[in-house]
This record gives sequence, C-alpha cells and structure tokens, in this order.
Amino acid sequence: SQTIHQWPATLVQPVGSPLSLECTVEGTSNPNLYWYRQAAGRGLQLLFYSVGIGQISSEVPQNLSASRPQDRQFILSSKKLLLSDSGFYLCAWSVKLAYEQYFGPGTRLTVT
Amino acid sequence: AQSVSQHNHHVILSEAASLELGCNYSYGGTVNLFWYVQYPGQHLQLLLKYFSGDPLVKGIKGFEAEFIKSKFSFNLRKPSVQWSDTAEYFCAVSRNTPLVFGKGTRLSVIA
Repeated sequence: SQTIHQWPATLVQPVGSPLSLECTVEGTSNPNLYWYRQAAGRGLQLLFYSVGIGQISSEVPQNLSASRPQDRQFILSSKKLLLSDSGFYLCAWSVKLAYEQYFGPGTRLTVT
Repeated sequence: AQSVSQHNHHVILSEAASLELGCNYSYGGTVNLFWYVQYPGQHLQLLLKYFSGDPLVKGIKGFEAEFIKSKFSFNLRKPSVQWSDTAEYFCAVSRNTPLVFGKGTRLSVIA
C-alpha cells in the first residue's frame, strides 16, 4: 500500500532563515505531488504541484519554491522566511490530476 | 476561476440528529467531486468521491452525497451523527485540474 511521509512534524524558525520541508511517497511510481497551506477557516490553498521529475507548477507567487529531485520526493523551500509564512503545510499525492488526493500528516511551521 | 462554496462555517448538532452540509461549485461541464474529513489531530482523509454514474454516492462511515448537476451542488449527508463525527469537512472539485477545495465546515456533535 501507499504511504506518504512529511518531516519535520513541527518547526520553529526565525524570520529570514531558510526553509526546507520534505515529502516522500512510498508504494507508487510517477505520482502527481502537491504542496498546500492550510489556514483555519480558509481551507486548503494549493501552492505547487508536479506531474513529473523536475516539473513544477506554481499556483501562488510568494516567498516559497518547490522542487522534485526524485520521482517520489517533493521539497518545499524558502531562502528567507517571512512571518506570513507561518502555517500548516500539507503534502499530497494522486494518480492523476483530477483524481482523489492522499494527504500526509502535515508540518506546523511557526516563524518567529 | 473555479471556486467551491461551503455555506456553513460551523455546524453544531446533537447526537442522532441528521446532517446535511452544502457544497456548490462555480463551473459547468464534467467535474469530479470529493468530500474529505479531517478529525482533530489527524490527516485529511477521503470520505467519498463522484466521477460519473449514479449521482447518489455512498462513502465511508455512513456518509453519502448527492450530485445535482442542475444546481451545481454536491451536498454531504448522514442520517444520524455521532460524537465521533466531530471534525472539519471539506468539499473539493476538479475539472482536469488539481482539486479546488472549499473553505471547510466545522462540525461539532454534542451529547
């Protein structure tokens, strides 16, 4: 069966520091991969998605970037964090773009 | 732009009451529809999905949803809620794109 991992589970970083959040999927090949930010009362905001290695689509221009160095690895990064980057970040995968997504446990990021 | 509306931000029900959560989407054509649930402290998980066929879809844990194309709606229902249904519920829609999620409805079930 497929599983999706995210780490770290929680992170506290100072403003201006770099960020790297990692997501890996097991048990499937060539998944579509997604990064979301979830804010209370505001649902899930799609940040990036990828349909293959090295391919990234950005949905919201902001202080973050994403990379997919391997088939089942998706990384969310920032060179310099802002206070507004605080939030709950979710990684997900799907077989196809329009199909159901399966979510990881999330990373709670607090920028101080 | 595609959008998904969930009409209720917070719903409070007594145990054994019936549940209906509204979901409307803004675009026509063929769509895939989903309901997800997030229990406190847990992952988002899929409750049910609709791609085609019978517009009444049954999911896990006694939930069902009805697709009404003419109303652009996909409402979630459960005949009798339990305390364990306390969670946040998200509707999502896709039209050959990544899923677009609604803002969610928080359900609180009280004894």
